[in-house]
Amino acid sequence: GQNIDQPTEMTATEGAIVQINCTYQTSGFNGLFWYQQHAGEAPTFLSYNVLDGLEEKGRFSSFLSRSKGYSYLLLKELQMKDSASYLCAVKDSNYQLIWGAGTKLIIKP
Amino acid sequence: GAGVSQSPSNKVTEKGKDVELRCDPISGHTALYWYRQRLGQGLEFLIYFQGNSAPDKSGLPSDRFSAERTGESVSTLTIQRTQQEDSAVYLCASTQSEDGSYEQYFGPGTRLTVT
Repeated sequence: GQNIDQPTEMTATEGAIVQINCTYQTSGFNGLFWYQQHAGEAPTFLSYNVLDGLEEKGRFSSFLSRSKGYSYLLLKELQMKDSASYLCAVKDSNYQLIWGAGTKLIIKP
Repeated sequence: GAGVSQSPSNKVTEKGKDVELRCDPISGHTALYWYRQRLGQGLEFLIYFQGNSAPDKSGLPSDRFSAERTGESVSTLTIQRTQQEDSAVYLCASTQSEDGSYEQYFGPGTRLTVT
């Protein structure tokens, strides 16, 4: 079967750095997405990786290793507004998005 | 331009009644998805439309659920004989194409409560 694994919940301190991991087992691979979802709101796109390596976008970076079936989202200089759920999703060989259950990130002052 | 819109934003219905949820995708987006999200849980894929191709209904949980889409425009998700376990937020998303790097744009969702 197809599977996306993420930690259920993480806690970090304002101003610090946090890394949210995602491992996947899918039938084929056509890219990996990270989305942010604030409580009571719809998910919004953060990043896309299709090749191995690090993609940096401001305070957020996303890393991919296809051989390991592994990605992480790195958030720097954490702000209180970063408190949200972070969803990892993989496009399989049929270009269908397989979603992880999300990681709830709690930021403490 | 306008984003994905959904209506109603909230719906409370009695068990056994039928409900219809509407999604207006971004103009020009050929692909449209419906998801269900229960409280505190991840996204559950329901159905996918791509242009004039036959929809992928593999995620529909039972035959009480159905969806239609007219061309590349509005889609409606219908739930017949609603049950309490149908209570969730129903999210619609559209994208330019199902392949490549195109991200999905989500609507604000319809919060369905079955009493």
